[in-house]
Amino acid sequence: QQQVKQSPQSLIVQKGGISIINCAYENTAFDYFPWYQQFPGKGPALLIAIRPDVSEKKEGRFTISFNKSAKQFSLHIMDSQPGDSATYFCAASVSGAGSYQLTFGKGTKLSVIP
Amino acid sequence: KAGVTQTPRYLIKTRGQQVTLSCSPISGHRSVSWYQQTPGQGLQFLFEYFSETQRNKGNFPGRFSGRQFSNSRSEMNVSTLELGDSALYLCASSSRGVLLDNEQFFGPGTRLTVL
Repeated sequence: QQQVKQSPQSLIVQKGGISIINCAYENTAFDYFPWYQQFPGKGPALLIAIRPDVSEKKEGRFTISFNKSAKQFSLHIMDSQPGDSATYFCAASVSGAGSYQLTFGKGTKLSVIP
Repeated sequence: KAGVTQTPRYLIKTRGQQVTLSCSPISGHRSVSWYQQTPGQGLQFLFEYFSETQRNKGNFPGRFSGRQFSNSRSEMNVSTLELGDSALYLCASSSRGVLLDNEQFFGPGTRLTVL
């Protein structure tokens, strides 16, 4: 059973446009939601993360929107650039004294065309 | 601060062999997690170690094992390799501090190919 569902699988956006990637989760115990960016041949890099006590978090051109009641969160990339072309993963985990296991979505391959 | 380092970066093995991968976390980080990344299954959690103790283990067969040393460095071992074990193996470290303690930082991975 996939606990974090990510869509779309692939996305093509023109330079300067807005890229939007959506994720939905099932486990209501999740309380930490990071997004990772991965370039070919590299490990995932932490991009931005949010906790459920806020509905939105912005860092530069990247914004996470969080809807606790719908159990959904999304990544918006404003003014998308060719250098943003990468695979993006959403993830979720549970805080506390236990394991920090991250449950990942399947990823979205973003292509930003000039 | 140096990031997470993993060695070796690439490895080719044959079926039935065993392999050991190494991970050095960010200095001061005491938690190390391992993930397997494949095109079909995506990123899947293998196990996490904190202060030399395994905290959690994912849904992988017993051929996959790991350990952590007193300096927080970690190794994972896969015995009796199968073709399906070909994957990118990623290590992530976390400080487990009071604030933002979930943040995990990944290394570049070890690309394992089983022939």
